[in-house]
Amino acid sequence: DTAVSQTPKYLVTQMGNDKSIKCEQNLGHDTMYWYKQDSKKFLKIMFSYNNKELIINETVPNRFSPKSPDKAHLNLHINSLELGDSAVYFCASSHRDRGHGYTFGSGTRLTVV
Amino acid sequence: GNSVTQMEGPVTLSEEAFLTINCTYTATGYPSLFWYVQYPGEGLQLLLKATKADDKGSNKGFEATYRKETTSFHLEKGSVQVSDSAVYFCALSPTAGTALIFGKGTTLSVSS
Repeated sequence: DTAVSQTPKYLVTQMGNDKSIKCEQNLGHDTMYWYKQDSKKFLKIMFSYNNKELIINETVPNRFSPKSPDKAHLNLHINSLELGDSAVYFCASSHRDRGHGYTFGSGTRLTVV
Repeated sequence: GNSVTQMEGPVTLSEEAFLTINCTYTATGYPSLFWYVQYPGEGLQLLLKATKADDKGSNKGFEATYRKETTSFHLEKGSVQVSDSAVYFCALSPTAGTALIFGKGTTLSVSS
């Protein structure tokens, strides 16, 4: 059983397109996250939801819109894709208590051409 | 503000060598500290953690001790293997409701 699953694993698309990445966790965690990892491996938080409520919304272009239909799912929709959006996007989940670590998905490699 | 500083890589070692990857942090209050590992093409996996000063986290032969006086959480392993080749991330969790803050990662390459 995969604890945090993301789909798709790879996504190649043209500039200007709209795409979505889906994430699901079966760990019973109450908080989910989206991170972006750039080509230098740097990880930056984008969004966080706790029980379907947005609690972290970092400085991210408003072309990126997260949606959490329930606490087990957190999807990321990206409008009007740009070359600079190419990166690996990771979903993660945790209990809100900061003493617990995060469980990460295996990532979605997005390539915009 | 809150931040994590890791030693720059890559770190290149021979099998069975001793490993240290330095990590220092800046944080208000009493953060929890973590080490994550990322193998090629995979997501991050929690390697070990410590939630208060002087705690030692350990897993798979790796250890790190939460040192409040030096604001450090250095990762060590006595004898590395080729299978330890990966990117290692130090991270801190400042307060409940804030996301993990990661260091820039250190690439470890172990040769036989």
